[in-house]
Amino acid sequence: EDKVVQSPLSLVVHEGDTVTLNCSYEVTNFRSLLWYKQEKKAPTFLFMLTSSGIEKKSGRLSSILDKKELFSILNITATQTGDSAVYLCAVDGSGAGSYQLTFGKGTKLSVIP
Amino acid sequence: DAGVTQSPTHLIKTRGQQVTLRCSPKSGHDTVSWYQQALGQGPQFIFQYYEEEERQRGNFPDRFSGHQFPNYSSELNVNALLLGDSALYLCASSRTDAGAKLFFGSGTQLSVL
Repeated sequence: EDKVVQSPLSLVVHEGDTVTLNCSYEVTNFRSLLWYKQEKKAPTFLFMLTSSGIEKKSGRLSSILDKKELFSILNITATQTGDSAVYLCAVDGSGAGSYQLTFGKGTKLSVIP
Repeated sequence: DAGVTQSPTHLIKTRGQQVTLRCSPKSGHDTVSWYQQALGQGPQFIFQYYEEEERQRGNFPDRFSGHQFPNYSSELNVNALLLGDSALYLCASSRTDAGAKLFFGSGTQLSVL
């Protein structure tokens, strides 16, 4: 059974801090790892990673994948209150021809002014 | 460009009843997946539809069924509702040639009393 574990489960930081969110996984047929941000209901796509060691960046957010050690991290620098959300890590471990994501429980990030 | 739209946004049912949830995918997308998200948990894969057929199914009982129409929209049906079916039901759409990058709707919050 595929498994995704995120840590910490919750985190409270002050505006301007830098945070690192962790995601480890065990899947049979790894194809990609994805990060989503869930503020209210709809998870919104952040990154998709397929290769080790290549950092993805978008503004203050960045992510990297280590396929050997089976983990990924999501970094957020200079945090803002608008970064408050649940961050979900998901892994596509399905067979060819379809895409089935296994999600972790998420990390709830609270950024206080 | 409309994103993924789901209806209704909220629904209250009693045990034993049946429910139908609806989803219209993002323009240009041909694949629809359904996920169940219980409170404090990550989304859990129910099934995926492509070309009007169920392509893959997660670990959910037969009470959960679905359909995809020629215009790519989809329905999720749940029969004989249980209290444990109370959750946020998320629909996600994708292009079959774009990998696991899913776009999610805002979900239907189902409460079973």
